[in-house]
Amino acid sequence: EDQVTQSPEALRLQEGESSSLNCSYTVSGLRGLFWYRQDPGKGPEFLFTLYSAGEEKEKERLKATLTKKESFLHITAPKPEDSATYLCAVETSYDKVIFGPGTSLSVIP
Amino acid sequence: NAGVTQTPKFQVLKTGQSMTLQCAQDMNHNSMYWYRQDPGMGLRLIYYSASEGTTDKGEVPNGYNVSRLNKREFSLRLESAAPSQTSVYFCASRDSRAKNIQYFGAGTRLSVL
Repeated sequence: EDQVTQSPEALRLQEGESSSLNCSYTVSGLRGLFWYRQDPGKGPEFLFTLYSAGEEKEKERLKATLTKKESFLHITAPKPEDSATYLCAVETSYDKVIFGPGTSLSVIP
Repeated sequence: NAGVTQTPKFQVLKTGQSMTLQCAQDMNHNSMYWYRQDPGMGLRLIYYSASEGTTDKGEVPNGYNVSRLNKREFSLRLESAAPSQTSVYFCASRDSRAKNIQYFGAGTRLSVL
């Protein structure tokens, strides 16, 4: 059964304190891995797409990496505006996209 | 550019009532999706449609039906609502030509009493 898990469930950081979020997946065939950000009361917003092991993508304070079994979202020197829930998703077969449960990030000033 | 529009934004139903959640996108995307989001469980795929005229089951399809009315519209129907269907429902569309990004609506908050 295709499965996506994320850890930790919640993370509380001081402003400027770097950390990483994990996304682990067990799927029959990975066609792509996605990271989204979700603010309270809103729909998810796209951050990154990764397709193959070893690939990396960066955007401002965020960097996403991919291995054969997991992906990491590294947050460098976070700011309070980075507080949100971060969702990982995988495309398991043509057009079928499933999500992990998410990591709720709080950045304290 | 409106993107993905969901209606209604809020709804309260009694057990056994039926309703249809509407979703429309104006980005000419082929693929559309319905998810439900519950605390601690993330987004769970209910149904998806890879193209006009096709639909497929996701992880949690029981108790739901869908219709891909045309390329723009993808509706989700609850025939006989149950309290377990209390959730936030998100519709998404996907651009297979550009990074396979999914674009999400603002969600429908449904309570079944």
